[in-house]
Amino acid sequence: DAGVIQSPRHEVTEMGQEVTLRCKPISGHDYLFWYRQTMMRGLELLIYFNNNVPIDDSGMPEDRFSAKMPNASFSTLKIQPSEPRDSAVYFCASSFGQGFRGELFFGEGSRLTVL
Amino acid sequence: AQTVTQSQPEMSVQEAETVTLSCTYDTSENNYYLFWYKQPPSRQMILVIRQEAYKQQNATENRFSVNFQKAAKSFSLKISDSQLGDTAMYFCAFKGYGNKLVFGAGTILRVKS
Repeated sequence: DAGVIQSPRHEVTEMGQEVTLRCKPISGHDYLFWYRQTMMRGLELLIYFNNNVPIDDSGMPEDRFSAKMPNASFSTLKIQPSEPRDSAVYFCASSFGQGFRGELFFGEGSRLTVL
Repeated sequence: AQTVTQSQPEMSVQEAETVTLSCTYDTSENNYYLFWYKQPPSRQMILVIRQEAYKQQNATENRFSVNFQKAAKSFSLKISDSQLGDTAMYFCAFKGYGNKLVFGAGTILRVKS
């Protein structure tokens, strides 16, 4: 299996621009998670989906952030407009079921720099 | 809400020695799962070891073992025979009802030759 695939690996953009991060989960997994990692705040859960339906988006910082999962094999995290404080590494992870079967498999992350 | 605390921002150990990383957590749930993840400089998150709360026996995976103290809500990671490749950030994580994985702040481990 190819694992969780994220793109882009690196993104540099200017303040005010729209940013779209993409994720392809492992085939057959029914949970998908978006995390953000910064030095100050560590790893924060932004949102997660179960069977393509958003379950908990309480970690989404503000309305500038949105996430979609149109089908079982694709999800996006969009920031519009972007701000310098959004600079971070964004991880996507997927899992199957709950409990130990719900071990999270992470992608390699997308490093976002907003100038 | 669950919280996970890793009180050691940085640790160092000599190659071949043993090191223990600390983790405590707070929860009112009785059944849950605990994990240690490793993040090397490549930034890939790698599962090291996991423990089910209802199992009293401590989990082991080769050189990695845990000391799980449920009453104390403590979940430390012991790395034996440390190797240079163990140099990484280590995260303790908690998963309870709702399937969310909550991470601690992490401990940077440096293995010295």
